[in-house]
Amino acid sequence: GQNIDQPTEMTATEGAIVQINCTYQTSGFNGLFWYQQHAGEAPTFLSYNVLDGLEEKGRFSSFLSRSKGYSYLLLKELQMKDSASYLCAVRALLAGTGTASKLTFGTGTRLQVTL
Amino acid sequence: DSGVTQTPKHLITATGQRVTLRCSPRSGDLSVYWYQQSLDQGLQFLIHYYNGEERAKGNILERFSAQQFPDLHSELNLSSLELGDSALYFCASSVSSGNTEAFFGQGTRLTVV
Repeated sequence: GQNIDQPTEMTATEGAIVQINCTYQTSGFNGLFWYQQHAGEAPTFLSYNVLDGLEEKGRFSSFLSRSKGYSYLLLKELQMKDSASYLCAVRALLAGTGTASKLTFGTGTRLQVTL
Repeated sequence: DSGVTQTPKHLITATGQRVTLRCSPRSGDLSVYWYQQSLDQGLQFLIHYYNGEERAKGNILERFSAQQFPDLHSELNLSSLELGDSALYFCASSVSSGNTEAFFGQGTRLTVV
């Protein structure tokens, strides 16, 4: 099966930088996604990593180390609107199915941005 | 707007009843995923369909079933409802079952009373 761990809650100050970590254990790894979810709303896609290294997209960056089963999401120049849950999701190929895969989400990290 | 449409947005029903949740994926997307999110909980994967065929099944109860139709829309059927089934049910779609992100609908909030 798959196991995904993220911190439950984090707090950071407006304008600061915060790093949200995610560790995972899975077989058939086929990509890692980060999503943002505001309370009661649908998750929205932030970033995708399938190879080791850093992917940068504006104020958001995501890093992946497949050998360590580790990823982080880096948020810079924090704004109040960044207060949300951040979900780490791992895609894994299903054995014996060819291209079929399953996207499994962690329970999310609730980020509170304060003044 | 993600392009994924879910109906209804809200549903209140009594225990023991049966409901059907509907999802229309983004135009051109062949994969549809269903997730359940209880209050303050993470997203729990229920089931994945690709081009009309079931491809993966998560922790989906036997009281729950789903299907994807030839026009690619999907329905999630929940029967013999219990209070604990109250949750947000999200549908997501993606282009293929490979390395592409999934786009989520706004969800159906189910309340069982």
